[in-house]
Amino acid sequence: GAVVSQHPSRVICKSGTSVKIECRSLDFQATTMFWYRQFPKKSLMLMATSNEGSKATYEQGVEKDKFLINHASLTLSTLTVTSAHPEDSSFYICSARGTSGSKETQYFGPGTRLLVL
Amino acid sequence: RKEVEQDPGPFNVPEGATVAFNCTYSNSASQSFFWYRQDCRKEPKLLMSVYSSGNEDGRFTAQLNRASQYISLLIRDSKLSDSATYLCVVRIEGRRALTFGSGTRLQVQP
Repeated sequence: GAVVSQHPSRVICKSGTSVKIECRSLDFQATTMFWYRQFPKKSLMLMATSNEGSKATYEQGVEKDKFLINHASLTLSTLTVTSAHPEDSSFYICSARGTSGSKETQYFGPGTRLLVL
Repeated sequence: RKEVEQDPGPFNVPEGATVAFNCTYSNSASQSFFWYRQDCRKEPKLLMSVYSSGNEDGRFTAQLNRASQYISLLIRDSKLSDSATYLCVVRIEGRRALTFGSGTRLQVQP
């Protein structure tokens, strides 16, 4: 299956700072990437869909000015959490579309664990 | 109502047991179906696609019932390493992102 990398894997920052998370598709081009957030023992929540060369599409309730998404190339999408607060502490996972057999599915990066102090 | 519903569990089973998970979906525009596995503090990983005729991959068997709108996953001869959360996942026509259930937690005990 397709491989997606994510960096950093873990970050601890002070409240009020901004954090950038990178998501890369390896060996394949991803015109669309997805950003999810997952709180402990909760399900994945789609935050936004990142589109190469155009603006991201945000899910209801997700602040686009707080979670900045840039998809500058076919293999890289970035999520910047601006002015992070402790309630932003979560597991952030990116995903890219790929193919398994004859079916299109999604492959996930290893995730970034963010802790805001 | 959630579009993909799963029993959260946990299912606690002994090693070697057979365990089955069911999942129901409500959107009739659901086209493709998958089971993902997520280990604690890790990302979800594709376990298997689900085909209309049913499919098997080693100890894992997936079934799809379109008329009743449910999907199942059967795990035979459970191993300790099967302990994880199993996510039922659906592709709905017109949506780019997959729709995830909240997962069923399995704990295989020695």
